[in-house]
Amino acid sequence: NAGVTQTPKFQVLKTGQSMTLQCAQDMNHNSMYWYRQDPGMGLRLIYYSASEGTTDKGEVPNGYNVSRLNKREFSLRLESAAPSQTSVYFCASSDPIRLADADTQYFGPGTRLTVL
Amino acid sequence: LAKTTQPISMDSYEGQEVNITCSHNNIATNDYITWYQQFPSQGPRFIIQGYKTKVTNEVASLFIPADRKSSTLSLPRVSLSDTAVYYCLVVVNAGNNRKLIWGLGTSLAVNP
Repeated sequence: NAGVTQTPKFQVLKTGQSMTLQCAQDMNHNSMYWYRQDPGMGLRLIYYSASEGTTDKGEVPNGYNVSRLNKREFSLRLESAAPSQTSVYFCASSDPIRLADADTQYFGPGTRLTVL
Repeated sequence: LAKTTQPISMDSYEGQEVNITCSHNNIATNDYITWYQQFPSQGPRFIIQGYKTKVTNEVASLFIPADRKSSTLSLPRVSLSDTAVYYCLVVVNAGNNRKLIWGLGTSLAVNP
């Protein structure tokens, strides 16, 4: 049981390049999330997927796209990377039983992305 | 709109009790409050969660007053390994939508 896995762990891109960050979870969770973390700004939600087949914008979606490929996998794509997207990206999953219920998120180890 | 506020940093010594408070104005009646711990180069990790009054588990206690406008994470007898960043999270439910409101984190330094 690996929990939440992310690939790659590190990536360096040039401005304008594209790439996809991969995330997978083996806990049969319905909900998955993508965050970015920058110094002094905490965790900011980029996109989330409440269930397979659905995706919704979070706080900072501009410049990103997501795909909920199946229940296990949720990918984040940067179509044209910019230096402002230099950050650490975390994927998380959870399984809220009801909307008003408690929600524990399980995080992956992160991807450290640098855009030059 | 719910917003969370917590101190940027705190210092403590081994063996002391540490209390970190998070303020969350306009929290709705069905919101839970969750706390996470994050070590350098790792993802955040769940510590404790509560709705009202007091919750205790093997690592921490969470105190939530009756007005629920704040919550206090209590770490008993901290050790050097408790040095980390601690985040509070409020989940706001609005109809079929769920909005996550994260605090900016409290960096706790435990000194020998």
